[in-house]
Amino acid sequence: DIQMTQSPSTLSASVGDRVTITCRASQTVNNWLAWYQQKPGKAPNLLIYKASTLQSGVPSRFSGTGSGTEFTLTISSLQPDDFATYYCQQYNSFSTTFGQGTKVEIK
Amino acid sequence: EVQLLESGGNLVQPGGSLRLSCAASGFTFRTNAMSWVRQAPGKGLEWVSAITSSGADTYYADSVRGRYTISRDNSKNTLYLQMNSLGAEDTAVYYCAKRTAGVFDSWGQGTLVTVSP
Repeated sequence: DIQMTQSPSTLSASVGDRVTITCRASQTVNNWLAWYQQKPGKAPNLLIYKASTLQSGVPSRFSGTGSGTEFTLTISSLQPDDFATYYCQQYNSFSTTFGQGTKVEIK
Repeated sequence: EVQLLESGGNLVQPGGSLRLSCAASGFTFRTNAMSWVRQAPGKGLEWVSAITSSGADTYYADSVRGRYTISRDNSKNTLYLQMNSLGAEDTAVYYCAKRTAGVFDSWGQGTLVTVSP
């Protein structure tokens, strides 16, 4: 199975900060990489797919880059609603895997 | 509006069985692959199982293969997960998710499965 490793595990930031989360795959996943946001007690919400394509309705302050084995999620200016946990997901095959998550906390 | 409503979660003893259901509405269920994803308390997301739109092909995580069975009834717009030989490690919120081109673009609210004596 393809292993996904996110860094950092926790990130403390302030409103207005630029935030970057990294996701690394144990082998190439091409561009088959998605990002999700999850708030406590809620289901995850798809933000980005195919590494850099913004899901409909997601604010443009979210962006994704990368290919192969290294990917990043960037929030250009952190908003109060963005404090949450973020997961990457590779879907290079039907057997998909998630990263362990990155919690974005208020500094 | 896409709606996915899971049910069937409960407290079950180790070694027991449980069947989860997911009622779908707001989209053409029979043309979409579906999956189950779980989340243990305080932990991350773990993909559990997937099924193609027709139900002809199924896929499982190593952690549940041989114990869980995914199925669907396209006439009832319902997805199922039969879980057998449950252990403490299966305790989690189980989400039903609509799978579009590999990603999970709609999720249910989740149903809690607790495995405990």
